[in-house]
Amino acid sequence: DGGITQSPKYLFRKEGQNVTLSCEQNLNHDAMYWYRQDPGQGLRLIYYSQIVNDFQKGDIAEGYSVSREKKESFPLTVTSAQKNPTAFYLCASSLPGLASYNEQFFGPGTRLTVL
Amino acid sequence: EDQVTQSPEALRLQEGESSSLNCSYTVSGLRGLFWYRQDPGKGPEFLFTLYSAGEEKEKERLKATLTKKESFLHITAPKPEDSATYLCAVQASGGYQKVTFGTGTKLQVIP
Repeated sequence: DGGITQSPKYLFRKEGQNVTLSCEQNLNHDAMYWYRQDPGQGLRLIYYSQIVNDFQKGDIAEGYSVSREKKESFPLTVTSAQKNPTAFYLCASSLPGLASYNEQFFGPGTRLTVL
Repeated sequence: EDQVTQSPEALRLQEGESSSLNCSYTVSGLRGLFWYRQDPGKGPEFLFTLYSAGEEKEKERLKATLTKKESFLHITAPKPEDSATYLCAVQASGGYQKVTFGTGTKLQVIP
């Protein structure tokens, strides 16, 4: 079955630590995204990548970093510089091309809690 | 700046009681409007894409419609398993394919 996987499902971090969230897709999508979801707020875009070895900052990129070395993988690192990292993190992917409709398909999410 | 406003924030229905969820949007040229369903603790599940005013799409008890300023998600004779948060999102035309999400409507269907 094609889909998006995220791991781990739950992650606990001590203050001052960096943590990396995994996202893998086998949908053959070129574009991948990371969102953050907080209660009462819409999904907020952290980073996106439209092609391998290229990515751009979204609306709330400060304190986060990404890499896109393979088409299937788009890991997100939450650094110690992120002031309020406790949130639900969602990875998504979509078909490529500026001319396409951006129907995004989401993974199951990772809930990060800072202790 | 693109904006999406969903109403109501929460909706409680009796099983079988039909209703509609609203999604109002402001975007500089609409390329597409998307509806998602999200269960607690899970990622959003794609439901529909609407491309132009007047378009309608249906899936089981759900029907989505689109005008130039808003979209409605009509739920006919809902069942308890329809309980979820429903998210609306818009994609602007031109340039980067940014998608702006609303905060959702939390639907509870009571048996």
